[in-house]
Amino acid sequence: DVKVTQSSRYLVKRTGEKVFLECVQDMDHENMFWYRQDPGLGLRLIYFSYDVKMKEKGDIPEGYSVSREKKERFSLILESASTNQTSMYLCASSLSQHNEKLFFGSGTQLSVL
Amino acid sequence: DAKTTQPPSMDCAEGRAANLPCNHSTISGNEYVYWYRQIHSQGPQYIIHGLKNNETNEMASLIITEDRKSSTLILPHATLRDTAVYYCIVRAPLNFGNEKLTFGTGTRLTIIP
Repeated sequence: DVKVTQSSRYLVKRTGEKVFLECVQDMDHENMFWYRQDPGLGLRLIYFSYDVKMKEKGDIPEGYSVSREKKERFSLILESASTNQTSMYLCASSLSQHNEKLFFGSGTQLSVL
Repeated sequence: DAKTTQPPSMDCAEGRAANLPCNHSTISGNEYVYWYRQIHSQGPQYIIHGLKNNETNEMASLIITEDRKSSTLILPHATLRDTAVYYCIVRAPLNFGNEKLTFGTGTRLTIIP
């Protein structure tokens, strides 16, 4: 089975800190995604990447950046964390442009104090 | 991507069939219907997808109306482990630079013992 691993299950950070959320997939998938999930709002796409060193903005990219230096790893960066970035962050991957079945990690619950 | 409408919550007795409806009246001809579910504290899990024909796999069946404006996910013999939030999503095949998959708020399905 495809495994998508997020480095932390729970994370607590202070306002203004730089935060790195790491995601690794083990099945050579081309596409990787970062979502955030908030009560009543469903999942919202932050950024995605369809190849190494490539990235595209999703629906809510403000305040975030991403890095994909290797195919298996997709990092989400909060340059200066704010309290409104407290959320559940979900990473996902899919095989290729022609296979949209997403595999998700278990999520990182980030609290910014 | 077309917008979907799902009831916010449903109950189903254990052992019975759970039928989850989804309206997607603005669906385009090349858009697929996808279903995912999210069990508490986990990332979403792919269930099934289809274009116009009914589909069945080991987890569920997907019934799409002839006009494709609505669909029903069927869990034939619901168990307590099927308690989850179920998301219906419609989207076109991945195109270069258009790999967004938008999740709504889904249906919270509770299986009653």
